[in-house]
Amino acid sequence: AQTVTQSQPEMSVQEAETVTLSCTYDTSENNYYLFWYKQPPSRQMILVIRQEAYKQQNATENRFSVNFQKAAKSFSLKISDSQLGDTAMYFCAYLPGSGYALNFGKGTSLLVTP
Amino acid sequence: EADIYQTPRYLVIGTGKKITLECSQTMGHDKMYWYQQDPGMELHLIHYSYGVNSTEKGDLSSESTVSRIRTEHFPLTLESARPSHTSQYLCASSEFEGSRGGPTYTFGSGTRLTVV
Repeated sequence: AQTVTQSQPEMSVQEAETVTLSCTYDTSENNYYLFWYKQPPSRQMILVIRQEAYKQQNATENRFSVNFQKAAKSFSLKISDSQLGDTAMYFCAYLPGSGYALNFGKGTSLLVTP
Repeated sequence: EADIYQTPRYLVIGTGKKITLECSQTMGHDKMYWYQQDPGMELHLIHYSYGVNSTEKGDLSSESTVSRIRTEHFPLTLESARPSHTSQYLCASSEFEGSRGGPTYTFGSGTRLTVV
């Protein structure tokens, strides 16, 4: 089974600063998808960014970008110009190309302070 | 608006009671999922469905059961609730967008279940 590891249970960043959340995964497949999801307190989980393994270019969505290192099986999320509304749990998730359900890491709790 | 709805949001129930957690989606997705999430922990897949009359157990063993009689509806039932069932239950659905960008998952807001 594939595993997803998020080694930072909690992180804190000041407003307007940049923070990077780490994620590594284990797989023997060549085709797969990686995701970062945001789960605000008591609210719906929403997609932050998605990366397809066969695309070498790192995905970017406004202030959110990833550093996808396929050989190292690393998929970190960079949040630039952090905002108070970025405070949430962030989950890294893996989906095999032939798969159906997401495999999640344990999450990183991010606190953005004024 | 296309979305996925879970009811109730919060439920406190006594041991031994039968409960059903509701999940409905308006997007026409064939694939639906139930995840269990303990506080501060990752999500574990407990059930999934490829479509009507198709249900499978997930990676995490669960005493709950599911049914999929209609595409939009995927309820989860616990016949006899126990304190060990206390957790958050998240429902999700997905589609594969193909050339438009790959798989997309939509999550409900979750049901936080407490069994006393």
